[in-house]
Amino acid sequence: EIVLTQSPGTLSLSPGERATLSCRASQSVSSSYLAWYQQKPGQAPRLLIYGASSRATGIPDRFSGSGSGTDFTLTISRLEPEDFAVYYCQQYGSSPVTFGPGTKVDIK
Amino acid sequence: QVTLRESGPALVKPTQTLTLTCTFSGFSLSTSGMCVSWIRQPPGKALEWLALIDWDDDKYYSTSLKTRLTISKDTSKNQVVLTMTNMDPVDTATYYCARSWRTPATGGLDYWGQGTLVTVSS
Repeated sequence: EIVLTQSPGTLSLSPGERATLSCRASQSVSSSYLAWYQQKPGQAPRLLIYGASSRATGIPDRFSGSGSGTDFTLTISRLEPEDFAVYYCQQYGSSPVTFGPGTKVDIK
Repeated sequence: QVTLRESGPALVKPTQTLTLTCTFSGFSLSTSGMCVSWIRQPPGKALEWLALIDWDDDKYYSTSLKTRLTISKDTSKNQVVLTMTNMDPVDTATYYCARSWRTPATGGLDYWGQGTLVTVSS
């Protein structure tokens, strides 16, 4: 089973700043089958990035994903007020599918 | 448009079996590459993937829960059912169903239901 580790646990930033979130896998993620999700309180998660770097439909271009193998990054170039949320990475390249523990981005 | 909706009991007793139904529209689970997963989230905690069923009726389960889980589909009714046996208070969570579509141009869980909170208590 692939274990995903996300860092930092909490990221405190101001609107307009750049956010860099890390996701590290215990073994190589097949074919970069790595996704990122945003979750706000009381809501279901929303797909942001799939295939490590492809933006899902309707996702603003301030969100970008990169990485391969075991190290992946989600970057939010300039934080908007609506971006403060919890972000999860997920690998779906091998069974079982696994999620990371999440990174909370909160307002500084 | 694609929608998914979870249904099932809000309260179950310890040792009981939980049965949840995901009713979806806007896609067919007989389409090549189509999959439906179940994911849960205990209050204030992280997401946990539980199970997946695909268009070819292949089934995949969480390593830690596979002895307690069964996933099945009824393509004609556009439903996926998850059963979890021997429920315990630690299984209290919001349970989500979500769609994925395995194609070269897609990936991840792109549509989610709103979730249903299941509380396990006597």
